[in-house]
Amino acid sequence: ETGVTQTPRHLVMGMTNKKSLKCEQHLGHNAMYWYKQSAKKPLELMFVYNFKEQTENNSVPSRFSPECPNSSHLFLHLHTLQPEDSALYLCASSQAQGYNEQFFGPGTRLTVL
Amino acid sequence: AQSVTQLDSHVSVSEGTPVLLRCNYSSSYSPSLFWYVQHPNKGLQLLLKYTSAATLVKGINGFEAEFKKSETSFHLTKPSAHMSDAAEYFCVVSEALGGGADGLTFGKGTHLIIQP
Repeated sequence: ETGVTQTPRHLVMGMTNKKSLKCEQHLGHNAMYWYKQSAKKPLELMFVYNFKEQTENNSVPSRFSPECPNSSHLFLHLHTLQPEDSALYLCASSQAQGYNEQFFGPGTRLTVL
Repeated sequence: AQSVTQLDSHVSVSEGTPVLLRCNYSSSYSPSLFWYVQHPNKGLQLLLKYTSAATLVKGINGFEAEFKKSETSFHLTKPSAHMSDAAEYFCVVSEALGGGADGLTFGKGTHLIIQP
């Protein structure tokens, strides 16, 4: 498989559930990103990891918890979410942070009931 | 600080006619500028990028954009629209030149509709 993959593609969860989103990149990149895409709003950067170290947390609520075990994998752990967290969550990667050409995965469509 | 404004939320053109999607940016430094396209239920795909080389940038699928510093604009054009061009288009600015910067700043998007 090539490029950036994300699983699952669709997720429906209740407010008391715990779930995780997974992102994997096969490009040999060292930086990975989580974005949130809500209807009628610009893409919002959530987290940045560079060489497995978190370098940016864009004031994201603690109910979102990222994890980057290695440069190829990125997770977003979700717990006690709110309905307004329903959105498309996009993962991206780049050669390193600051190399600004980013490659995006197809996203996970999250619905919180 | 950087910002980007896409001047039209929706653009509708007939198949075979020219496309113009407008974008203005604000940046404290020499920016890099991008156009991404997002088809329904898909991730974002890079169309083209400007990184301080030639001001007229050619991208994939016949799209091109011109960087105009005096007008702080980076409009996307295509001479002849195709039905497959129907999608959401995002103008993006970045001041990142290497290391230590945050992610890209996206515009709100322009929905391109192609009429048969």
